[in-house]
Amino acid sequence: EIVLTQSPGTLSMSPGERATLSCRASQSVSNSYLAWYQQKPGQAPRLLIYGASSRATGIPDRFGGSGSGTDFTLTISRLEPEDFAVYYCQQYGSSPRTFGQGTKVEIK
Amino acid sequence: EVQLVQSGAEVKKPGESLKISCKGSGYSFTSYWIAWVRQMPGKGLEWMGIIYPSDSDTRYSPSFQGQVTISVDKSISTAYLQWSSLKASDTAMYYCARHASSGYYFYWGQGTLVTVSS
Repeated sequence: EIVLTQSPGTLSMSPGERATLSCRASQSVSNSYLAWYQQKPGQAPRLLIYGASSRATGIPDRFGGSGSGTDFTLTISRLEPEDFAVYYCQQYGSSPRTFGQGTKVEIK
Repeated sequence: EVQLVQSGAEVKKPGESLKISCKGSGYSFTSYWIAWVRQMPGKGLEWMGIIYPSDSDTRYSPSFQGQVTISVDKSISTAYLQWSSLKASDTAMYYCARHASSGYYFYWGQGTLVTVSS
């Protein structure tokens, strides 16, 4: 089973700042099958990025994904008020699929 | 419009059985895997398993194998997650989600809150 470790656990940022979230896998994620989700309180997760770097339909271009192998990054270029939430990575290159433990982006 | 509509919140006692549902609409239900994801209170997302409605091929996470049963009734486009004997530690929000072609999840149900308490 691939273990995904996200860092940091919490990111305290101000609106307009650039946020960089990390997701490290315990072994290589095949085909860069790595997705990122955003979750707000009381809501289901929302897909942001798939295939490590492809934005899902309707996702603003301030969200960007990069990486391959075992190291992946989600970047939010300029934080908007609605971006303060918890972010999860998920690998779907091998079974069982697994999620990281999440990074909370909070208002500083 | 693709929709996954889950059954309503449940309050159960330890030892009771439970089956929750996820009804798909707006797409060919038998063509896409359905996943179940657990989220315990204040915690992260945990992948439980998946089922392919066309032939009921089912895969479980080792963490959930033997603890739950995933099933489907393709005649009514509905997937299920069931427990034979609930524990307090099963208290969580449970989401169903539809696979995209590769295994990420664009479409999610609204979640079913299961509370197990004596």
